[in-house]
Amino acid sequence: QQQVKQSPQSLIVQKGGIPIINCAYENTAFDYFPWYQQFPGKGPALLIAIRPDVSEKKEGRFTISFNKSAKQFSLHIMDSQPGDSATYFCAASEEAAGNKLTFGGGTRVLVKP
Amino acid sequence: NAGVTQTPKFRVLKTGQSMTLLCAQDMNHEYMYWYRQDPGMGLRLIHYSVGEGTTAKGEVPDGYNVSRLKKQNFLLGLESAAPSQTSVYFCASWDRDVYEQYFGPGTRLTVT
Repeated sequence: QQQVKQSPQSLIVQKGGIPIINCAYENTAFDYFPWYQQFPGKGPALLIAIRPDVSEKKEGRFTISFNKSAKQFSLHIMDSQPGDSATYFCAASEEAAGNKLTFGGGTRVLVKP
Repeated sequence: NAGVTQTPKFRVLKTGQSMTLLCAQDMNHEYMYWYRQDPGMGLRLIHYSVGEGTTAKGEVPDGYNVSRLKKQNFLLGLESAAPSQTSVYFCASWDRDVYEQYFGPGTRLTVT
């Protein structure tokens, strides 16, 4: 079963638009929620992460919104650029369980110039 | 500092053949992981290790074995490859100080 569900599967926006990717989780023991960015032929790289005691976190043009009661979190890419075109994965883990990451299915984002 | 490296980068196997994927990290991390990536399914954990000499099963361990004889190396073995094991395999190590998993570049495996 997929414990982290991610949507949409793909997204096309114009340059300057704000792609929004949503994730929902089931395991309330998760205590760490990272987002990874992956370019073709490369391994995933950490983009931004959040803990459940915080409702929002911003790093540059990337923002995570977190809703603990709804067990949902989302990634917003502000002022998106063609260089942001990549596949984005949300994930969740529990430190006490070895920080094993459970990934969502991924969202392919295309930013058109 | 090379980070996480994986060998080989590509491999084609016939059904029933065996092979070993090597992951190496030079960051002195205790925790290491093997994931497989399939279209539409994200990455799924195969096995992981919390230190030298230890291994544990992840979400999809069947058909794979692992060993962590040295802290810097984590080996993933396929004893009898099956077409269902066609995938891209990623190794990762965890830096507990900055709470970040670093991924290798991946190994693309095709089983025919």
